[in-house]
Amino acid sequence: DGGITQSPKYLFRKEGQNVTLSCEQNLNHDAMYWYRQDPGQGLRLIYYSQIVNDFQKGDIAEGYSVSREKKESFPLTVTSAQKNPTAFYLCASGGGAGELFFGEGSRLTVL
Amino acid sequence: AQSVSQHNHHVILSEAASLELGCNYSYGGTVNLFWYVQYPGQHLQLLLKYFSGDPLVKGIKGFEAEFIKSKFSFNLRKPSVQWSDTAEYFCAVVDQTGANNLFFGTGTRLTVIP
Repeated sequence: DGGITQSPKYLFRKEGQNVTLSCEQNLNHDAMYWYRQDPGQGLRLIYYSQIVNDFQKGDIAEGYSVSREKKESFPLTVTSAQKNPTAFYLCASGGGAGELFFGEGSRLTVL
Repeated sequence: AQSVSQHNHHVILSEAASLELGCNYSYGGTVNLFWYVQYPGQHLQLLLKYFSGDPLVKGIKGFEAEFIKSKFSFNLRKPSVQWSDTAEYFCAVVDQTGANNLFFGTGTRLTVIP
């Protein structure tokens, strides 16, 4: 089936550790995105990539890093510099005009 | 910078009641507008979209939205809600000439009581 696959679904991390969230798409979309969802704050853009080997910071990029080595893959690393990493992370891809397709999300909890 | 406002944070309705969720955006250029829905335990999915043409657009499950350019609004409506409409609803806007960077509102949680 075509879609966005995020893993893991749930992740626990100790303070000071980096963690990487995986996002894979088989929709052949050029653009991919990472959003953070917190209660009452909607979705906030962390990073996005319009094309392989290129990516741009979103509104809340501090403490995060990404790579886009393949069209299908856009992993997000939550670094120890992220002060409040406990959140629900959503990956999306888009074929154009702003219509996005979302994965099921990854819930990160920092212990 | 673009921004999207959803004024209702939590709406509680009984089944068969009518629904209207407000969405206002601030941006001077031409935009595409969207409503996304997130049902409990499911991923975000597109409910409806407006790019151009008829300002009244119809989406899935009986939802519709009206684009009023003069008011910078894109309110979501449904004449008669069902318990299965319980979900979180997000309005979103993207600049038609921009980089596909979608701006989301803070979301409205809808609870429908049977």
